[in-house]
Parts: sequence; structure tokens; C-alpha cells
Amino acid sequence: SYELTQPPSVSVSPGQTASITCSGEKLGDKYVCWYQQKAGQSPLLVIYQDRKRPSGIPERFSGSNSGNTATLTISGTQAMDEADYYCQAWDSSTALFGGGTKLTVL
Amino acid sequence: EVQLVESGGGLVKPGGSLRLSCAASGFTFSNFGLNWVRQAPGKGLEWVSSISSSSTYIYYADSVKGRFTISRDNAKNLLYLQMNSLRAEDTAVYYCARGSTSAVGTGTFDPWGQGTLVTVSS
Repeated sequence: SYELTQPPSVSVSPGQTASITCSGEKLGDKYVCWYQQKAGQSPLLVIYQDRKRPSGIPERFSGSNSGNTATLTISGTQAMDEADYYCQAWDSSTALFGGGTKLTVL
Repeated sequence: EVQLVESGGGLVKPGGSLRLSCAASGFTFSNFGLNWVRQAPGKGLEWVSSISSSSTYIYYADSVKGRFTISRDNAKNLLYLQMNSLRAEDTAVYYCARGSTSAVGTGTFDPWGQGTLVTVSS
């Protein structure tokens, strides 16, 4: 079965760039979404169709997807960006989530 | 404002049943596919089921197939998840989430409700 793999954790200093990867076989052939989940809250869509930002999502959030890897990039990371991030794609009418990456801003 | 509010969670014994509801407002309910996603305590997100706008297309995760049934009432703006033969591993917060179009099997989950906790324990 198809799987999406994310690193369990990523750390970044405030103001620096954080990159969170999501890997899967030929993932570049699929559309990838990214969700942010802060502690005690519901998930929030931050990137869809690989690189598009929903209304209200800061420009510092960007995405890319090619080959076997999709990447969520947060430029100028702020303390408020500390959260769990999940990638998501569809495969044969099944929605798949990556295991999630805990982003720590320190 | 688009809003999704889940209800119906609670404590149930293994083998028991529970029906979750998701009340929607702020958008034309009958135009969108809908989804259930769950999150076990301290764990990641797991997709459970999806239903298209007219209920023509319905999909389930293998982990719940044959035990859970998704349905919707477009006249009442309600989404349901009937859960039977519940197991301890079904313990999770269950979220409903709107799809991006009338179809399912594609698109995004946006927005999400606040979730309802289901605990399966004796």
C-alpha cells in the first residue's frame, strides 16, 4: 500500500527557514496538501495542490513537489509556527497522511 | 463563516456502537463532498471515510470497512458516521472536514470541525 513518510521532528531558530519533507513513490505525480496542527487545535490547511496557499495563510509558507519528495518550506519562521505538520495525498480514492512532523522553534 | 460541529462521541464498550454527527453551516452543504478523519491520542491523522455530495461515491479506510457507515442528509445539513463493532484501537478524536468539490477521492480537507472524542474501553 502507498505510504507517505515524514521526519518525526525538525528544529529551527526564529527567523530562519524550516523545511519539512514528505516522501512517497512517484509523489510528484500526485497533488500534495499540508496541514498545520497546533497543540489542542484542529488541523488547518496551509498548502494545497503542491504549492498554493489558501486565503489567510502567510506568504512565508510555500510548497513544492517533484520526483518522490514534497517539501513544505517556512521562511522567516516565527514562534507561532511551532506545530505538527502533516502532508496528505490521495491514492486510488484513499486519502493518505504522513506520520506528521513536529516543528520546534527554538 | 463555514462551520462544522461534531457531536455524539463518548465512552463505549468494545463491540458496541456509536453514531457521530457533524452539523454544517455557512456554505451550500449539498455542493461539497465530506470526510471523517480521526486522531488517536498522541498520534497522527488517519483518514476514515469520504462521501460525495449526492452520496453516489463512498470510500472507507480498510481499518473500518464493514464496521463503519458514512451517510449524509442534505436537507438537514448533517453528516453521520455510524460505528459498529467498536474496538479499543478506534479510540480517537473524530473530525469531520469539508472537501474542496462535490467529488471525493481528490482535493483537500478544509475546514475541519473541532472534533469529538470516542473512547472504546471496558
